[in-house]
Amino acid sequence: EAQVTQNPRYLITVTGKKLTVTCSQNMNHEYMSWYRQDPGLGLRQIYYSMNVEVTDKGDVPEGYKVSRKEKRNFPLILESPSPNQTSLYFCASSFSSNPTEAFFGQGTRLTVV
Amino acid sequence: AQSVTQLDSQVPVFEEAPVELRCNYSSSVSVYLFWYVQYPNQGLQLLLKYLSGSTLVKGINGFEAEFNKSQTSFHLRKPSVHISDTAEYFCAVTRNSGNTPLVFGKGTRLSVIA
Repeated sequence: EAQVTQNPRYLITVTGKKLTVTCSQNMNHEYMSWYRQDPGLGLRQIYYSMNVEVTDKGDVPEGYKVSRKEKRNFPLILESPSPNQTSLYFCASSFSSNPTEAFFGQGTRLTVV
Repeated sequence: AQSVTQLDSQVPVFEEAPVELRCNYSSSVSVYLFWYVQYPNQGLQLLLKYLSGSTLVKGINGFEAEFNKSQTSFHLRKPSVHISDTAEYFCAVTRNSGNTPLVFGKGTRLSVIA
């Protein structure tokens, strides 16, 4: 089954404690991206990757890092989380950087206290 | 750059009534347009998309949307809604060439009332 898998689905952490949210896709997609969803703001792109070892900033990259060492995986790293990073995070993938059909993960709800 | 405006943040509607969710976009180049649906506690699911050709696009669950280039709109419609259509709906746009990501609107929460 074609899918984008994020882990964990829910996470509560404390300010400053490094964390990683994993994202994996099984569709051999080149393009992967991370979004955060906040009430009244919709989805905003954090980082994206057009292929292995190629990453770039989206609209709200501050406080986040990503890596793309393998085609299927695109982890999101928060080196020192802060409460303003409390949000719902989505990973997405598609066949090209023109996402005529983007597949989304189930989301990760992160709370930073 | 592209941008999307969803004109209504919340739309309550009675079951079996018609509904229209409005979306306007801004772009200086040709675009692809999308509607995504997010059911409670789930990820986003593609409802329909406009790439080219016929301006009336049909999607899943009885939804359709019409691309209007002169009005830069891509409104979503359904002639008769069900309780199960209660969800958040996102309009999105991307350039039809080049390396640009999806740009999302802020979402419209559709609440279907029995």
